[in-house]
Amino acid sequence: GQNIDQPTEMTATEGAIVQINCTYQTSGFNGLFWYQQHAGEAPTFLSYNVLDGLEEKGRFSSFLSRSKGYSYLLLKELQMKDSASYLCAVHYGNNRLAFGKGNQVVVIP
Amino acid sequence: EPEVTQTPSHQVTQMGQEVILRCVPISNHLYFYWYRQILGQKVEFLVSFYNNEISEKSEIFDDQFSVERPDGSNFTLKIRSTKLEDSAMYFCASSEGGWVHSNYGYTFGSGTRLTVV
Repeated sequence: GQNIDQPTEMTATEGAIVQINCTYQTSGFNGLFWYQQHAGEAPTFLSYNVLDGLEEKGRFSSFLSRSKGYSYLLLKELQMKDSASYLCAVHYGNNRLAFGKGNQVVVIP
Repeated sequence: EPEVTQTPSHQVTQMGQEVILRCVPISNHLYFYWYRQILGQKVEFLVSFYNNEISEKSEIFDDQFSVERPDGSNFTLKIRSTKLEDSAMYFCASSEGGWVHSNYGYTFGSGTRLTVV
């Protein structure tokens, strides 16, 4: 089976930096996605890590350690519009994703 | 930016009825997927589809479910004899290739909220 764990909720202040962790135990691993999901909307792609290390993309960075089964998403210079659920998803098998429950980030002024 | 389009956005159906959820994937994408998200729960894989056949399916995707690409643009999910527990948001997604292009990932549609009463 696939087991992906994320904290459920965090609150942070506008302009701050927040780190969202994800640990996983899966049978098979091709890579790891991070998606952003606003309530009632579709997940939107943020990043995809295959190799160990940090991938930076503007205000968002994602880190992967395959040996530790661990990833994090770093959000810098938080904005109010960043209030959303952040989903960690393991890409495995031929072509399928196993999602975590998502981490709800609430940005306050 | 190209989009995956899903219709309808909301559907209410009576238990036992059949529903068809429709999707138009991005035109140059070759792989298509259905996922669902029961309210308050995680997004779950249902099925992947390539070259006019199912390439993978989850244990959720039983005989009650079927998928079809009836023409060159549409991709449908049919649920026969719906049950109360089928109530969920159903997301269609597409990707360029089987090994996902790392810059774009899967593109998800905005979803169909299915309510079975």
